[in-house]
Amino acid sequence: GAVVSQHPSWVICKSGTSVKIECRSLDFQATTMFWYRQFPKQSLMLMATSNEGSKATYEQGVEKDKFLINHASLTLSTLTVTSAHPEDSSFYICSASAVGSSYNEQFFGPGTRLTVL
Amino acid sequence: DAKTTQPTSMDCAEGRAANLPCNHSTISGNEYVYWYRQIHSQGPQYIIHGLKNNETNEMASLIITEDRKSSTLILPHATLRDTAVYYCIVGTGGFKTIFGAGTRLFVKA
Repeated sequence: GAVVSQHPSWVICKSGTSVKIECRSLDFQATTMFWYRQFPKQSLMLMATSNEGSKATYEQGVEKDKFLINHASLTLSTLTVTSAHPEDSSFYICSASAVGSSYNEQFFGPGTRLTVL
Repeated sequence: DAKTTQPTSMDCAEGRAANLPCNHSTISGNEYVYWYRQIHSQGPQYIIHGLKNNETNEMASLIITEDRKSSTLILPHATLRDTAVYYCIVGTGGFKTIFGAGTRLFVKA
């Protein structure tokens, strides 16, 4: 089956620093990638949708200047958390939708756990 | 808001069938029903999807009612490793997916 990877799998950073998370589709091309955030004991919350070569579409309440998304190729999207603060500590998950899929199934990455001290 | 409602939690004995219901009474004609599960601290895993007909794969079966307003995911022989949160989602796939709270399934020995 299609595989989506994320790097790093976990990261600890100091408050005020920026952190970049990569999401890659390993064996397929992804027209669209999605970024989610998940707090403990809660469901996944969609943050933004990114399409290759165009600007990301952010969900209401998500600051686009704080969560920078770049989707430079059909196999790579990055999420940069700028000036991270402890309240940004969360589990960040990406998913990718394959080009040409008849029902546009989404494939999820394993997630990145961010801890901001 | 999520378009589905699911029970908060369910228990199942190991080796027995786990039947997880989902209500999606506002589903549109072109929307699929997708099921994913999430084991603790991992990304969601795709299980199965369907449009109108019942579907079966190596993991599970999906039973969709004739009016498509509800469905049931069946794990035929639940194991301890099936303990997870199960999400029922309706949508047209490549478009944004809104997760509800899901059902926390506990498989007990």
